[in-house]
Amino acid sequence: QSVLTQPPSASGTPGQRVTISCSGSTSNIGSNTVSWYQQLPGTAPKLLIYNNNQRPSGVPDRFSGSKSGTSASLAISGLQSEDETDYFCAAWDGSLNGPVFGGGTKLTVL
Amino acid sequence: QLQLHEPGPGLVKPSETLSLTCSVSGGSISSRSYYWGWIRQPPGKGLEWIGTIYYSGSTYYNPSLQSRVTISVDTSKNEISLKLNSVTAADTAVYYCARMLGSSVNLRFDPWGQGTLVTVSS
Repeated sequence: QSVLTQPPSASGTPGQRVTISCSGSTSNIGSNTVSWYQQLPGTAPKLLIYNNNQRPSGVPDRFSGSKSGTSASLAISGLQSEDETDYFCAAWDGSLNGPVFGGGTKLTVL
Repeated sequence: QLQLHEPGPGLVKPSETLSLTCSVSGGSISSRSYYWGWIRQPPGKGLEWIGTIYYSGSTYYNPSLQSRVTISVDTSKNEISLKLNSVTAADTAVYYCARMLGSSVNLRFDPWGQGTLVTVSS
Protein backbone atom coordinates (compact mmCIF):
# COMPACT_ATOMS: atom_id res chain seq x y z
CA GLN A 1 0.00 0.00 0.00
CA SER A 2 1.49 3.29 -1.13
CA VAL A 3 2.05 6.17 1.29
CA LEU A 4 0.52 8.67 -1.12
CA THR A 5 -3.01 7.86 -2.27
CA GLN A 6 -4.07 8.18 -5.89
CA PRO A 7 -7.22 6.95 -7.61
CA PRO A 8 -6.36 3.79 -9.56
CA SER A 9 -8.06 5.10 -12.68
CA ALA A 10 -9.28 8.25 -14.38
CA SER A 11 -10.82 8.91 -17.75
CA GLY A 12 -11.84 11.64 -20.12
CA THR A 13 -12.70 12.34 -23.73
CA PRO A 14 -10.43 14.09 -26.22
CA GLY A 15 -10.26 17.81 -25.56
CA GLN A 16 -11.58 17.47 -22.03
CA ARG A 17 -9.80 18.50 -18.82
CA VAL A 18 -9.08 15.81 -16.27
CA THR A 19 -7.53 15.95 -12.83
CA ILE A 20 -5.69 13.28 -10.86
CA SER A 21 -5.43 13.64 -7.11
CA CYS A 22 -2.63 12.68 -4.74
CA SER A 23 -3.38 12.61 -1.02
CA GLY A 24 -0.79 12.45 1.72
CA SER A 25 -0.11 13.72 5.22
CA THR A 26 1.65 16.48 7.10
CA SER A 27 4.93 14.55 7.01
CA ASN A 28 5.07 14.48 3.21
CA ILE A 29 2.83 16.64 1.01
CA GLY A 30 1.92 18.89 3.93
CA SER A 31 5.51 20.02 4.38
CA ASN A 32 7.28 19.34 1.07
CA THR A 33 6.69 19.86 -2.61
CA VAL A 34 5.12 17.34 -4.97
CA SER A 35 6.40 16.06 -8.28
CA TRP A 36 4.43 14.22 -10.96
CA TYR A 37 5.59 11.64 -13.49
CA GLN A 38 4.23 10.10 -16.67
CA GLN A 39 5.03 6.45 -17.25
CA LEU A 40 4.45 5.00 -20.69
CA PRO A 41 4.51 1.18 -20.79
CA GLY A 42 8.04 -0.19 -20.96
CA THR A 43 9.67 3.22 -20.83
CA ALA A 44 11.41 5.30 -18.20
CA PRO A 45 9.16 7.50 -16.07
CA LYS A 46 9.22 11.12 -17.24
CA LEU A 47 9.14 14.16 -14.97
CA LEU A 48 6.03 16.26 -15.73
CA ILE A 49 5.71 18.63 -12.77
CA TYR A 50 8.04 19.57 -9.90
CA ASN A 51 7.83 22.02 -7.01
CA ASN A 52 4.04 21.47 -7.08
CA ASN A 53 3.45 23.44 -10.26
CA GLN A 54 6.65 23.87 -12.27
CA ARG A 55 7.04 22.30 -15.69
CA PRO A 56 10.44 21.16 -17.02
CA SER A 57 11.29 22.50 -20.43
CA GLY A 58 9.61 20.49 -23.14
CA VAL A 59 6.53 19.56 -21.13
CA PRO A 60 3.40 21.01 -22.77
CA ASP A 61 1.50 23.65 -20.82
CA ARG A 62 -1.54 21.37 -21.02
CA PHE A 63 -0.07 19.77 -17.90
CA SER A 64 -0.36 21.71 -14.65
CA GLY A 65 -0.03 20.96 -10.97
CA SER A 66 -1.34 22.37 -7.72
CA LYS A 67 -1.15 21.67 -4.01
CA SER A 68 -3.32 22.52 -1.06
CA GLY A 69 -2.58 21.31 2.44
CA THR A 70 -1.86 17.59 2.33
CA SER A 71 -3.20 17.01 -1.18
CA ALA A 72 -1.99 17.72 -4.68
CA SER A 73 -3.49 17.50 -8.13
CA LEU A 74 -2.30 17.03 -11.68
CA ALA A 75 -4.50 18.58 -14.35
CA ILE A 76 -4.37 17.73 -18.02
CA SER A 77 -6.30 20.00 -20.33
CA GLY A 78 -7.04 19.47 -24.01
CA LEU A 79 -6.82 15.72 -23.45
CA GLN A 80 -5.16 13.79 -26.28
CA SER A 81 -5.05 10.08 -27.05
CA GLU A 82 -1.30 10.08 -26.41
CA ASP A 83 -1.99 11.07 -22.79
CA GLU A 84 -3.43 7.61 -22.14
CA THR A 85 -0.94 6.08 -19.76
CA ASP A 86 0.03 5.93 -16.08
CA TYR A 87 0.76 8.89 -13.81
CA PHE A 88 2.19 8.94 -10.30
CA CYS A 89 3.10 11.50 -7.66
CA ALA A 90 6.03 11.73 -5.27
CA ALA A 91 7.15 13.79 -2.27
CA TRP A 92 9.73 13.69 0.48
CA ASP A 93 8.53 12.19 3.74
CA GLY A 94 10.06 13.51 6.93
CA SER A 95 9.01 10.49 8.96
CA LEU A 96 10.64 8.03 6.55
CA ASN A 97 13.48 10.46 5.83
CA GLY A 98 13.13 9.51 2.21
CA PRO A 99 10.84 9.91 -0.79
CA VAL A 100 7.41 8.31 -1.02
CA PHE A 101 5.23 7.68 -4.03
CA GLY A 102 1.62 7.33 -5.04
CA GLY A 103 0.27 4.04 -6.30
CA GLY A 104 -0.27 5.45 -9.76
CA THR A 105 -3.33 6.38 -11.80
CA LYS A 106 -4.12 4.85 -15.16
CA LEU A 107 -5.62 7.49 -17.43
CA THR A 108 -7.93 6.33 -20.20
CA VAL A 109 -8.87 8.57 -23.10
CA LEU A 110 -12.32 7.46 -24.19
CA GLN B 1 21.61 14.64 -22.49
CA LEU B 2 21.99 12.62 -19.33
CA GLN B 3 20.99 8.98 -19.67
CA LEU B 4 20.85 6.16 -17.15
CA HIS B 5 20.94 2.48 -18.00
CA GLU B 6 20.48 -0.40 -15.59
CA PRO B 7 20.71 -3.79 -17.30
CA GLY B 8 19.88 -6.64 -14.98
CA PRO B 9 20.26 -10.39 -14.51
CA GLY B 10 16.56 -11.02 -15.12
CA LEU B 11 16.33 -13.96 -12.74
CA VAL B 12 17.71 -14.41 -9.23
CA LYS B 13 17.23 -17.44 -7.00
CA PRO B 14 15.64 -17.11 -3.55
CA SER B 15 18.12 -16.42 -0.74
CA GLU B 16 20.74 -15.17 -3.22
CA THR B 17 21.96 -11.62 -3.81
CA LEU B 18 20.46 -9.32 -6.41
CA SER B 19 23.12 -7.15 -8.05
CA LEU B 20 22.44 -4.25 -10.39
CA THR B 21 24.59 -1.52 -11.90
CA CYS B 22 23.37 1.79 -13.23
CA SER B 23 25.61 3.36 -15.88
CA VAL B 24 25.38 7.12 -16.29
CA SER B 25 26.24 8.73 -19.62
CA GLY B 26 26.10 12.30 -20.86
CA GLY B 27 27.09 13.75 -17.50
CA SER B 28 29.25 13.16 -14.45
CA ILE B 29 28.07 11.20 -11.47
CA SER B 30 30.51 13.29 -9.42
CA SER B 31 28.48 16.48 -9.68
CA ARG B 32 27.98 18.03 -6.25
CA SER B 33 24.49 19.10 -7.24
CA TYR B 34 22.88 15.69 -7.40
CA TYR B 35 22.15 12.53 -5.52
CA TRP B 36 21.41 9.18 -7.17
CA GLY B 37 18.65 6.80 -6.19
CA TRP B 38 17.31 3.30 -6.62
CA ILE B 39 13.56 2.77 -6.76
CA ARG B 40 11.57 -0.39 -7.42
CA GLN B 41 8.05 -1.29 -8.51
CA PRO B 42 6.64 -4.76 -7.84
CA PRO B 43 4.23 -6.00 -10.51
CA GLY B 44 0.88 -4.29 -10.14
CA LYS B 45 2.02 -2.20 -7.18
CA GLY B 46 3.33 1.29 -6.51
CA LEU B 47 6.88 2.55 -6.41
CA GLU B 48 9.14 2.06 -3.39
CA TRP B 49 12.31 4.01 -2.63
CA ILE B 50 15.23 1.68 -1.93
CA GLY B 51 18.04 4.10 -1.20
CA THR B 52 20.14 7.07 -2.23
CA ILE B 53 23.84 7.74 -2.68
CA TYR B 54 25.98 10.85 -3.11
CA TYR B 55 29.16 10.83 -5.20
CA SER B 56 31.18 10.97 -1.99
CA GLY B 57 29.74 7.62 -0.98
CA SER B 58 27.25 8.83 1.63
CA THR B 59 24.22 6.55 1.61
CA TYR B 60 20.66 6.68 2.86
CA TYR B 61 18.42 3.62 2.91
CA ASN B 62 14.75 2.83 3.30
CA PRO B 63 14.51 1.47 6.87
CA SER B 64 12.39 -1.44 5.63
CA LEU B 65 15.27 -2.65 3.44
CA GLN B 66 18.30 -1.26 5.27
CA SER B 67 19.44 -4.59 6.71
CA ARG B 68 19.70 -6.16 3.25
CA VAL B 69 20.77 -3.28 0.98
CA THR B 70 24.11 -1.89 -0.05
CA ILE B 71 24.42 0.97 -2.56
CA SER B 72 27.83 2.02 -3.81
CA VAL B 73 29.34 4.44 -6.32
CA ASP B 74 32.26 4.09 -8.72
CA THR B 75 33.12 7.57 -9.94
CA SER B 76 35.83 6.27 -12.28
CA LYS B 77 33.24 4.25 -14.17
CA ASN B 78 30.39 6.76 -13.67
CA GLU B 79 28.27 4.02 -12.15
CA ILE B 80 26.21 3.30 -9.08
CA SER B 81 25.45 -0.20 -7.88
CA LEU B 82 22.78 -1.92 -5.84
CA LYS B 83 23.09 -5.15 -3.90
CA LEU B 84 20.10 -6.68 -2.16
CA ASN B 85 20.80 -9.88 -0.30
CA SER B 86 18.62 -12.75 0.92
CA VAL B 87 16.02 -12.07 -1.75
CA THR B 88 12.55 -13.59 -1.74
CA ALA B 89 9.66 -13.55 -4.19
CA ALA B 90 8.58 -10.25 -2.60
CA ASP B 91 11.66 -8.63 -4.13
CA THR B 92 10.42 -9.35 -7.65
CA ALA B 93 10.07 -5.92 -9.24
CA VAL B 94 11.17 -3.53 -11.93
CA TYR B 95 14.23 -1.76 -10.54
CA TYR B 96 14.98 1.82 -11.59
CA CYS B 97 17.88 4.16 -11.02
CA ALA B 98 17.30 7.90 -11.19
CA ARG B 99 19.06 11.20 -10.59
CA MET B 100 17.70 13.11 -7.65
CA LEU B 101 17.54 16.91 -7.84
CA GLY B 102 16.73 19.50 -5.24
CA SER B 103 16.68 19.13 -1.50
CA SER B 104 14.35 17.09 0.67
CA VAL B 105 11.84 19.95 0.54
CA ASN B 106 11.66 20.13 -3.25
CA LEU B 107 12.93 16.75 -4.40
CA ARG B 108 12.39 15.42 -7.90
CA PHE B 109 13.70 12.50 -9.95
CA ASP B 110 15.00 13.33 -13.42
CA PRO B 111 15.93 11.45 -15.51
CA TRP B 112 15.13 7.83 -14.81
CA GLY B 113 16.62 4.72 -16.29
CA GLN B 114 14.35 2.51 -18.32
CA GLY B 115 14.20 -0.04 -15.53
CA THR B 116 14.99 -3.72 -15.41
CA LEU B 117 12.67 -6.51 -14.33
CA VAL B 118 14.20 -8.80 -11.77
CA THR B 119 12.30 -11.97 -10.96
CA VAL B 120 13.11 -13.98 -7.86
CA SER B 121 12.39 -17.62 -8.54
CA SER B 122 14.05 -20.98 -8.29
